Amino acid sequence: SQQGEEDPQALSIQEGENATMNCSYKTSINNLQWYRQNSGRGLVHLILIRSNEREKHSGRLRVTLDTSKKSSSLLITASRAADTASYFCATDGGNNRLAFGKGNQVVVIP
Amino acid sequence: GAGVSQSPRYKVAKRGQDVALRCDPISGHVSLFWYQQALGQGPEFLTYFQNEAQLDKSGLPSDRFFAERPEGSVSTLKIQRTQQEDSAVYLCASSFFATNEKLFFGSGTQLSVL
Repeated sequence: SQQGEEDPQALSIQEGENATMNCSYKTSINNLQWYRQNSGRGLVHLILIRSNEREKHSGRLRVTLDTSKKSSSLLITASRAADTASYFCATDGGNNRLAFGKGNQVVVIP
Repeated sequence: GAGVSQSPRYKVAKRGQDVALRCDPISGHVSLFWYQQALGQGPEFLTYFQNEAQLDKSGLPSDRFFAERPEGSVSTLKIQRTQQEDSAVYLCASSFFATNEKLFFGSGTQLSVL
């Protein structure tokens, strides 16, 4: 079964706008990771946030983690057409397996 | 190689046929994972290797699924007597460390069982 659940499931925005997606999980975690998947391709690691961190930045990406609410958000600023992809959160509960959510489909319109 | 390589890219099998899916991880990567991804869903964990040792196979859906990594590099996922419900994309991922932090994924093998 999948632990992470992203919300919203599908997002369509204009180029230059910000895209925000959320992820909730059920059990305690060591870290939470976000991955991007382009159609027909494998997943690409974007960013990892540990359970003792609250916010992390990487380029145009900003991720937050609220362990009390068991939720995380991923913000992509100044979106580009190349950001069109599916975005997955994945949680590490300490057993060496990542539990992935169902994914957010993001379409950036040029 | 530059990344994780999987072959074949596409596989069509008749129900009941055996299939073998290959994964070449990034050289030197200790950890290797297999995931199954159904259409429109996130990847589901199948099994995990640390070098040649299969440390976790609890995600394999049935005893028809078997994975090996005999020399701690290339891995093969074998599915015996394929069923229609086995149709999915099978993803392989590797990591330099003996953890699941920052996985590098291959492009996957899309298996269609007719």
